[in-house]
This record gives sequence, structure tokens and C-alpha cells, in this order.
Amino acid sequence: NAGVTQTPKFQVLKTGQSMTLQCAQDMNHNSMYWYRQDPGMGLRLIYYSASEGTTDKGEVPNGYNVSRLNKREFSLRLESAAPSQTSVYFCASSEWRGGELFFGEGSRLTVL
Amino acid sequence: AQKITQTQPGMFVQEKEAVTLDCTYDTSDPSYGLFWYKQPSSGEMIFLIYQGSYDQQNATEGRYSLNFQKARKSANLVISASQLGDSAMYFCAMREDSNTGTASKLTFGTGTRLQVTL
Repeated sequence: NAGVTQTPKFQVLKTGQSMTLQCAQDMNHNSMYWYRQDPGMGLRLIYYSASEGTTDKGEVPNGYNVSRLNKREFSLRLESAAPSQTSVYFCASSEWRGGELFFGEGSRLTVL
Repeated sequence: AQKITQTQPGMFVQEKEAVTLDCTYDTSDPSYGLFWYKQPSSGEMIFLIYQGSYDQQNATEGRYSLNFQKARKSANLVISASQLGDSAMYFCAMREDSNTGTASKLTFGTGTRLQVTL
């Protein structure tokens, strides 16, 4: 019973490098989300996908791109990483409009 | 203005005592939902409890209850009979239905760190 799976769990990048965070859910949920968590700031929404084939910006989308590959998978790409993108990234999914979010375990990214 | 405000950065409670974690929210949307999540030191986010703006009764889930005061725009989490395993970060979050479409976009507060002592 995996739920929401994120990879990688940890990553260290140099400024300017690119990387993709992968997320997959096995709960047949329609909506998926990417949040970042920084100390003292709670979780902030980067991008979300209400349903397969759609993506929308959240509160802090700059510097990121997303792809909803299919109903199960939602990836987050950093094209040119910056130290300000050092954070813990959470992928989440939800079943229905208004339902609670189910989170992955998080991915800790450090940009040097 | 902050949509979700958690004014207690840290709280201490003795084992077996009850504790209230404060959350106030700001919205003009008549339809919204309020959530509480727990984040232990291991880092995962665990859903605890949900309250809809039109729900007449306060939500309860085991030892967790949500003290929903709509006029005051507060949604405090009450944990009864605290246990050592309750030591964690607790986040309040809100969904505003007018701007959420078919998704469940949540806005989170900054969290309260709860420490349960013997």
C-alpha cells in the first residue's frame, strides 16, 4: 500500500544544474500537487494538477515546471537550480474536490 | 494578510493532559474547509481532522477535536490525554472553495511545535 511515492529522497545540486523530482500515486486520485516547505513558512503550493491533462500555478511557481505524465504521475522540474530552491519538497494527491491531501514522504533538496 | 495564522511557535504539555493549538483564518469565501495535519520528526505529513464551513457540529476523530468558532474565524485543535507520540509539528490549513475548482488547494499556516513531557 504505497500511497504517494517521491524520488529521490535526497539530492544535492550545484547552482545552475537541472533535475526532476518524480511523484507517483497508486490511489487513483484525480488531483496532484507539489508543495515546498521552508523553516518558519509552512508549506507553500508550487503547482498543481486538478486532473490528468491540466496543470496550474500555485503560490510560488517561479523557477519550476511540471508535467502530469498520466493520472498516476506528476513531476516537478528545476531547469536551473538556485540556492533559494533549497527546501523540502512534498508531492500530494487528493481524491475528490475538497478532500484531504495525501502526502509523500518528502524530498530534501540542497542547492549549493 | 495571512490566510492562516498560528500564533504559537511552540507549546509544552504534560503527558495525559489536554492541549489546545490555536488557528485563525481569514477568508471572505462562504464555503471553505479547515484541516489539521501532524508532522512528526520523521517528516511525513499526517492528516488528522477536517471541518467544513457549513458543518453544524465540531469535528472529532478519536483524541482530536476541532473547536470551530465561525464568527471568530478560529479552528483550534484540541488534543485530549496527550501522549509522548503526540510530540510533533502541527499545521492548520484551509481550502477556499471559490478558487479551488476540482482540486483541493490548501493554504497552510506556519505550524506549532508541540512537545509532550513526562
